[in-house]
Amino acid sequence: EVQLVESGGGLVQPGGSLRLSCTASGFGFNTYAMNWVRQAPGKGLEWVSSISDLGGSKYYPDSVKGRFTISRDNSKNTLYLQMKSLRVEDTAVYYCAKGSDSGDYGPKWLDPWGQGTLVTVSS
Amino acid sequence: QSALTQPASVSGSPGQSVTISCTGTSNDVGSYDYVSWYQQHPGKAPKVIIYDVSRRPSGVSHRFSGSKSGYTASLAISGLQGEDEATYYCSSYTSRTTLVFGGGTRVTVL
Repeated sequence: EVQLVESGGGLVQPGGSLRLSCTASGFGFNTYAMNWVRQAPGKGLEWVSSISDLGGSKYYPDSVKGRFTISRDNSKNTLYLQMKSLRVEDTAVYYCAKGSDSGDYGPKWLDPWGQGTLVTVSS
Repeated sequence: QSALTQPASVSGSPGQSVTISCTGTSNDVGSYDYVSWYQQHPGKAPKVIIYDVSRRPSGVSHRFSGSKSGYTASLAISGLQGEDEATYYCSSYTSRTTLVFGGGTRVTVL
């Protein structure tokens, strides 16, 4: 069974930094792209970042480009999201999700998703 | 990177059919057959129910079906059941090699 478990969320002040982790099991982690998607309280889904199977390609929307960095350690089956210069509007549940393929040409669809970790940016 | 357009809500009685639209542009839905649909129950993580416009993952009910015409994709739910009450999101691959979601549609079973 594929399992994705996020960790690292918490309360951080505006302008601060935080690193999220996602530990994967139950599939060949180094053969699939991985993704982060967030959901602000009471709002819809927003794709945050994707990384290809070997980490050679990374993708971001304009809203986080330059502030967020996605990475992975295939030896540890772990995905990361380093977030800096955090803003109040970054407050959300952050989900880790497995990509549909190697991800060399960007994200197509996501399955499955972890249960999410809450990031709250507030003073 | 504007979100895809979905109706905020749709409703139907048990046993009826409902359809949710998802409108994009030539940069996403109109150019790629990488439209997917996700079901999210309150307090739960989203789950894919349709990918590549019309393909169903194993284990997903045949009552869910997807289609696309031009810049608009659609999700149809037939034989509406109480467990279908949830929020549904569409998503599409884009020409900028990004992923864009719709705003979500809340389905209510009357």
